[in-house]
Amino acid sequence: DIQLTQSPSFLSASVGDRVTITCRASQGINNYVAWYQQKPGKAPKLLIYAAATLQSGVPSRFSGSGSGTDFTLTISGLQPEDFATYFCQQVKTYPLTFGPGTKVDLK
Amino acid sequence: DVELVQSGGGLVQPGGSLTLSCAASEFTVNTNYMSWVRQAPGRGLELVSFTHSGGDTYFVDSVKGRFAVSRDKSQNTLFLQMNSLRPEDTALYFCARIRISTADTGVKWFDPWGQGTLVTVSS
Repeated sequence: DIQLTQSPSFLSASVGDRVTITCRASQGINNYVAWYQQKPGKAPKLLIYAAATLQSGVPSRFSGSGSGTDFTLTISGLQPEDFATYFCQQVKTYPLTFGPGTKVDLK
Repeated sequence: DVELVQSGGGLVQPGGSLTLSCAASEFTVNTNYMSWVRQAPGRGLELVSFTHSGGDTYFVDSVKGRFAVSRDKSQNTLFLQMNSLRPEDTALYFCARIRISTADTGVKWFDPWGQGTLVTVSS
């Protein structure tokens, strides 16, 4: 199975900050990565697919990049509603595994 | 709106059975890849199953032989039948549609997701 690691695991930030989350795959996965936001007790929400394509309706302060084994999710200008946990997911090979998550909380 | 609404779940004893439902609006369950994803308390996300009416089916090793997926076309609903439940099956279960790009079938994403339903296996 393809393993995903995310860093950092926890991140304290302030409103307005630029935040970057990294996802690394155990083998090359082209651009076959999706990113999700999850709030406690709620379903994940799709933010980005194909590593860099913004899902319709998602604010443009979210962006993704990367290819191969290294990927990033960037939030440019953190908003109060962005405090949540973020997961990457590789969709190259079944099982379609998720990263362990990065929790972004208020500094 | 395109959405999934889940029902079912609850408390069940080890060895028991439970069926989860996932009703779709504004799209057809039968013509889409559909999945079940679970999240154990305080843990990450795990793909439990995906299925397509064309025959493609996947189950994670830990549930093979115990879980089954079915669809009701008239209700536009996906079901997860869970048998021989174990304490380690305790989790919040989500259904989700899997979208696949027509330009590059390697590009996939899960959207929408159901609201989740809690399954607790305990005596």
